[in-house]
Amino acid sequence: ETGVTQSPTHLIKTRGQQVTLRCSSQSGHNTVSWYQQALGQGPQFIFQYYREEENGRGNFPPRFSGLQFPNYSSELNVNALELDDSALYLCASSFVLAGQETQYFGPGTRLLVL
Amino acid sequence: AQKITQTQPGMFVQEKEAVTLDCTYDTSDPSYGLFWYKQPSSGEMIFLIYQGSYDQQNATEGRYSLNFQKARKSANLVISASQLGDSAMYFCAMREENYGGATNKLIFGTGTLLAVQP
Repeated sequence: ETGVTQSPTHLIKTRGQQVTLRCSSQSGHNTVSWYQQALGQGPQFIFQYYREEENGRGNFPPRFSGLQFPNYSSELNVNALELDDSALYLCASSFVLAGQETQYFGPGTRLLVL
Repeated sequence: AQKITQTQPGMFVQEKEAVTLDCTYDTSDPSYGLFWYKQPSSGEMIFLIYQGSYDQQNATEGRYSLNFQKARKSANLVISASQLGDSAMYFCAMREENYGGATNKLIFGTGTLLAVQP
């Protein structure tokens, strides 16, 4: 158990819709990162939030956005869903101290876009 | 550009034997961290072991050890005494260290599917 939870576990949407995925980090963790894992591939970094501000972004369009809250929870929002957005979405939390930390992942949300 | 390469799409190992999963990396930064994660079919990424680029000794965590060869840019995972529960996808990942700031992203390889046979 990593202490990181995600909801929902599974989700089905249609093209053009919007979706919000949620993550609850370990207490005290000040950093959350989101990753997209397409079938048969390794996770790809979407973005990272540090103390409630975006601090690093991967090669994802602006329709992928996020929020981090003071209570260690966070959200990933995806607008105008496309078929290629179908994937496992993972959040990872960590406490950054002098750059040395380990990211702990949640169980993921499986999103299917029809 | 940073890159992680895992050349073994799949591996078989007999229960109780040792197995080595290969990982090579490419980076121009002198300070970085290397990770191995296990991903069962349930999807959760489970942290196994970490090796810092300046660590003098190879990392070990129980049955897991990391064979770190800096000059060859390789960070192979060794699992000793394999168990049926070790059957899963294994990912090697790299992060460039960023002291004094926030976390840098993890870059993952494509993974190796390990099957432990009884």
